[in-house]
Amino acid sequence: DARVTQTPRDKVTEMGQEVTMRCQPILGHNTVFWYRQTMMQGLELLAYFRNRAPLDDSGMPKDRFSAEMPDATLATLKIQPSEPRDSAVYFCASGFFSSSAGELFFGEGSRLTVL
Amino acid sequence: GQQLNQSPQSMFIQEGEDVSMNCTSSSIFNTWLWYKQDPGEGPVLLIALYKAGELTSNGRLTAQFGITRKDSFLNISASIPSDVGIYFCAGQVGGTSYGKLTFGQGTILTVHP
Repeated sequence: DARVTQTPRDKVTEMGQEVTMRCQPILGHNTVFWYRQTMMQGLELLAYFRNRAPLDDSGMPKDRFSAEMPDATLATLKIQPSEPRDSAVYFCASGFFSSSAGELFFGEGSRLTVL
Repeated sequence: GQQLNQSPQSMFIQEGEDVSMNCTSSSIFNTWLWYKQDPGEGPVLLIALYKAGELTSNGRLTAQFGITRKDSFLNISASIPSDVGIYFCAGQVGGTSYGKLTFGQGTILTVHP
């Protein structure tokens, strides 16, 4: 079964450290998303790409977060420096979208704990 | 921006009961999706709806795309313990923002054996 693959599954780090999360989207999908999930805020869209081009990163704190897609098989989300409030589960998701239809498939998530 | 209100926030039911949850939006959507999330996992797509009025089933699950295009509901019939989880609705507006989904807050379902 094709699936979105995320690494690491769990990451514990100290405040101030750099964190990089990686995602391999499903082959053939044209749109890749990064979401953050917390109990308080639910699922928040951080950034997304279409055909590797960044479309919207307005949900991301620009001073510390960056999202890139160096090639069609890899999307990255980097936090530098990390802060305790960044503790959350980060999901990558991909889908093939047109203006009329599309379905989104999620990875298993990367649980980040910043001490 | 778009707002999605999902209700109820949580449900506690007995095994065998039917479940109904819904989402309403302040905006018109051209796609409604329903997801289920198990603890420690990512959301899994259950049902996708693309046309106003569309009624789609997936086993014991049935979902409908409201005719106003501003709402959708999900029904689960004859619930079983493995139905436990968080259910999310999501809508897509299309246009230049196609693919960008707005998610509801989720419905936490607990099923007592």
